[in-house]
Amino acid sequence: NAGVMQNPRHLVRRRGQEARLRCSPMKGHSHVYWYRQLPEEGLKFMVYLQKENIIDESGMPKERFSAEFPKEGPSILRIQQVVRGDSAAYFCASSPQGNSNQPQHFGDGTRLSIL
Amino acid sequence: DQQVKQNSPSLSVQEGRISILNCDYTNSMFDYFLWYKKYPAEGPTFLISISSIKDKNEDGRFTVFLNKSAKHLSLHIVPSQPGDSAVYFCAAIWSGNTGKLIFGQGTTLQVKP
Repeated sequence: NAGVMQNPRHLVRRRGQEARLRCSPMKGHSHVYWYRQLPEEGLKFMVYLQKENIIDESGMPKERFSAEFPKEGPSILRIQQVVRGDSAAYFCASSPQGNSNQPQHFGDGTRLSIL
Repeated sequence: DQQVKQNSPSLSVQEGRISILNCDYTNSMFDYFLWYKKYPAEGPTFLISISSIKDKNEDGRFTVFLNKSAKHLSLHIVPSQPGDSAVYFCAAIWSGNTGKLIFGQGTTLQVKP
């Protein structure tokens, strides 16, 4: 399967714990976008990364959230000290080019539940 | 500030008839629009797109119309099939702004056999 791979598909954490969500883009894609979907809402942009660089993090909450896309390995979205309001579906998308109109290809998401 | 709006949360049509899903936007800087389809527990799948320099784009049963003066676009599905039942998201891009997608809230389409 050469699509965007996200894991885990489901993640349960207690309040105060850390959550790490992983995304492997499609082969040949070096641009990764993260989106969050809260219940009954559309997807909201969080952050856009290229290999080793954060290009746009205008949608990221100011605290507790961080993202990286290292030279080797998947992109990681990290949420520290999780709270109930972090419960959502987190989707990763990739594209071969950034700043372009080429459609982004999405993974099946990680559903994060906070107890 | 909801820059892309889908004002109909749901739509129900009979198999074989036309489905029309609507989307409005407020930011005149948007220059590219996309429709994504989403099944439960899956990620959005790209359907069709349109550039702001066009007013229509067609791909098989799917046609997207763009009315720039009204800041309105619509997705037509003809004929509708039960497998089209899903949530449809309208999204917009301002190509000078990193390519991030701005999504509407989604419309749930149910096609009845």
